[in-house]
Amino acid sequence: SQELEQSPQSLIVQEGKNLTINCTSSKTLYGLYWYKQKYGEGLIFLMMLQKGGEEKSHEKITAKLDEKKQQSSLHITASQPSHAGIYLCGAASGGGADGLTFGKGTHLIIQP
Amino acid sequence: GAVVSQHPSRVICKSGTSVKIECRSLDFQATTMFWYRQFPKQSLMLMATSNEGSKATYEQGVEKDKFLINHASLTLSTLTVTSAHPEDSSFYICSAAGLAVRETQYFGPGTRLLVL
Repeated sequence: SQELEQSPQSLIVQEGKNLTINCTSSKTLYGLYWYKQKYGEGLIFLMMLQKGGEEKSHEKITAKLDEKKQQSSLHITASQPSHAGIYLCGAASGGGADGLTFGKGTHLIIQP
Repeated sequence: GAVVSQHPSRVICKSGTSVKIECRSLDFQATTMFWYRQFPKQSLMLMATSNEGSKATYEQGVEKDKFLINHASLTLSTLTVTSAHPEDSSFYICSAAGLAVRETQYFGPGTRLLVL
């Protein structure tokens, strides 16, 4: 079965600083999803990456998938308090018809 | 767009009773819906996959007779926890995927179940 390792497990960053979260898969990824969750709430879709070397950006968040499609990174530029939460990477073994396997999440705290 | 709702958001029930949770895709047709469970400080674990009009596929270790899933239409799936016990207390989240949203899974806000 596929396993996703996220690092770091938790991160405290001063407001305005940049940060990176990593997600490594034990197998080649068909699709890699990034979601944000606030504790006890649902998941907010951030981005989906499918092609090796693909990079997507939305506002101050950039996600990349490496060429071998086994590692992804999520980079936040000039962090803000609204970025605080739990970031989860999820992997699809097939298309949208497959459920996702999730990493354990990275808990991000932004210090003012 | 791509909004998924769940009802109820919170439920408290007595041990031995059954609880039904609804998952609806509000602005797209969900050909596939997924049910996940999340225990405190842990990640989401896939429980089952349901396709409209067919039987759900359950993950290993998930009892199909305990967690009944019905995907009666392209916008509604229900999860019924039968004869709930305290160990079933958890956060249940559904997601929905469809061609209109390019197979991206959109998640509902979750249902917190507490079994006393």
